[in-house]
Amino acid sequence: ILNVEQSPQSLHVQEGDSTNFTCSFPSSNFYALHWYRWETAKSPEALFVMTLNGDEKKKGRISATLNTKEGYSYLYIKGSQPEDSATYLCASWDTGNQFYFGTGTSLTVIP
Amino acid sequence: NAGVTQTPKFRVLKTGQSMTLLCAQDMNHEYMYWYRQDPGMGLRLIHYSVGEGTTAKGEVPDGYNVSRLKKQNFLLGLESAAPSQTSVYFCASSYGVYNEQFFGPGTRLTVL
Repeated sequence: ILNVEQSPQSLHVQEGDSTNFTCSFPSSNFYALHWYRWETAKSPEALFVMTLNGDEKKKGRISATLNTKEGYSYLYIKGSQPEDSATYLCASWDTGNQFYFGTGTSLTVIP
Repeated sequence: NAGVTQTPKFRVLKTGQSMTLLCAQDMNHEYMYWYRQDPGMGLRLIHYSVGEGTTAKGEVPDGYNVSRLKKQNFLLGLESAAPSQTSVYFCASSYGVYNEQFFGPGTRLTVL
């Protein structure tokens, strides 16, 4: 079983603050790492899919990095806005063809 | 372009009853997935399919069966529902493992 863990579990930041979350996964058997954004009462929406060590992806104010050798990925949000409030999920495919989600980081941006 | 749709949106079953959840996608995706979402547990993969006529077990497959007779449809069956299967079920699809998954709106199932 691939243990995908996310930290912190929840986070409250002021509007305009920058923040980051961590996703950790076993570095052996790694295949691909996904990040999703999940707003309340909606369905998860994809942010990034990353596969190569050192990958960096960016979408607007959100970016992510990947370290497959040590088994972690960081998600960064620059200048948080209230509309960034959501749960951020990471998930990983392993070489055993299994896909595991972490339990997410809940972000609340206070106006 | 409807994306990923799920039928029904809500359902209440009695213990022992059976039902089928339907997932449909119009994006010509090869991969389709069924997840369950429970408080404190996050999303857990039940079964998935890598193409028409194929299925594979996920993390929590027990008590569920699936079929992918057509590329655009993925069915999740509960043969004898149990209260432990009360959950929100999400379907998703993607081109492959390196591609983002697109999620349906979810089905809330309650088993009494």
